[in-house]
Amino acid sequence: GQNIDQPTEMTATEGAIVQINCTYQTSGFNGLFWYQQHAGEAPTFLSYNVLDGLEEKGRFSSFLSRSKGYSYLLLKELQMKDSASYLCAVRDLGYGGSQGNLIFGKGTKLSVKP
Amino acid sequence: DAGVTQSPTHLIKTRGQHVTLRCSPISGHKSVSWYQQVLGQGPQFIFQYYEKEERGRGNFPDRFSARQFPNYSSELNVNALLLGDSALYLCASSLEGSTNEKLFFGSGTQLSVL
Repeated sequence: GQNIDQPTEMTATEGAIVQINCTYQTSGFNGLFWYQQHAGEAPTFLSYNVLDGLEEKGRFSSFLSRSKGYSYLLLKELQMKDSASYLCAVRDLGYGGSQGNLIFGKGTKLSVKP
Repeated sequence: DAGVTQSPTHLIKTRGQHVTLRCSPISGHKSVSWYQQVLGQGPQFIFQYYEKEERGRGNFPDRFSARQFPNYSSELNVNALLLGDSALYLCASSLEGSTNEKLFFGSGTQLSVL
């Protein structure tokens, strides 16, 4: 079956570092995505990992271990505007020309406090 | 440049009715996908279209259908609405529908079925 787990909620302090973990069990794997979603808004792309290792992009970094079915999103120098839901998504294998759909976790609601 | 646009933003229907949701992808994007996001959950894949052809279908009943037009815009149709169809319906586009492409999401249509 398809299963993606991430914590439901996290709280952190402005200026701090927070790590959001994601574990997955899927029948196929074609990359892992992280999206940010503010309440009532569209999910926006943060990162994409298809190979093991760390991808760094400004204050945001994402790590992938395919053998462990594990990823994390690291947010540094937290700002109040980082309060949002963070969605982990695995792209499964596409068949017959399909792109392969994204299988999303339930999302982690991050609250950044002053 | 305009992002992915969806209409309407909000919709209220009653059980048994039919609904049509519309999506315009980012200019130049040929692939459109539809996702359903129930409150407190991650988005769930419904359909992917590329060059007017269905390329992928999620685990949704036949009451759900979609199509893509020559200008790459898309419609999602839901017949015989049920209370459980109440959700945020997200449209996402990508350039060529390739497996390594990120999806750009619209802000969604919030559907309430009474």
